Amino acid sequence: TQLLEQSPQFLSIQEGENLTVYCNSSSVFSSLQWYRQEPGEGPVLLVTVVTGGEVKKLKRLTFQFGDARKDSSLHITAAQPGDTGLYLCAVFLYNQGGKLIFGQGTELSVKP
Amino acid sequence: KAGVTQTPRYLIKTRGQQVTLSCSPISGHRSVSWYQQTPGQGLQFLFEYFSETQRNKGNFPGRFSGRQFSNSRSEMNVSTLELGDSALYLCASSKTGQGTDTQYFGPGTRLTVL
Repeated sequence: TQLLEQSPQFLSIQEGENLTVYCNSSSVFSSLQWYRQEPGEGPVLLVTVVTGGEVKKLKRLTFQFGDARKDSSLHITAAQPGDTGLYLCAVFLYNQGGKLIFGQGTELSVKP
Repeated sequence: KAGVTQTPRYLIKTRGQQVTLSCSPISGHRSVSWYQQTPGQGLQFLFEYFSETQRNKGNFPGRFSGRQFSNSRSEMNVSTLELGDSALYLCASSKTGQGTDTQYFGPGTRLTVL
């Protein structure tokens, strides 16, 4: 069983559409991060959310941390081909010696 | 400043061989973490080093090992390679390796085991 469940696993949309990606867990976290990974590259940190209910915006990307700090969502408005990539949520587990654990990821393809 | 570099970028080995991968962190970063990425299992934590000491290890067999040098550069070694070890191996560096400290990833080493 994955600690972080991401949905959907795959998403193929047309340029200009909106989309939402979800990251869910039954555990409570002190913070949660979102990364984007493009083909042939390593993941790049997009945002860190630390407060329950927090909303952060990064241009057309909106990130929300659930009130109970168990889940998060990533919403993209008017998707563009440059948004194509693998979106990963991740949490740092202090109680297991300190390690970053990732969700399985959402593979997003935005077609022109 | 220069990012995290990994060498080699691509590697082809046969079953039973061993392999060593190298990671040079961002200057000033003392923590280096290693991850294995496969389509089936996703990104999985291998181990983390800080100031030449392994602080944490993931759930991988003893064939996977690593070390860190005094200049923070790190290597990981996989002995007696198996077909299932084919994966993208990523390293990430950060100042402390703890909590919300940003981890900067390298481009990875693509290992293929035949």
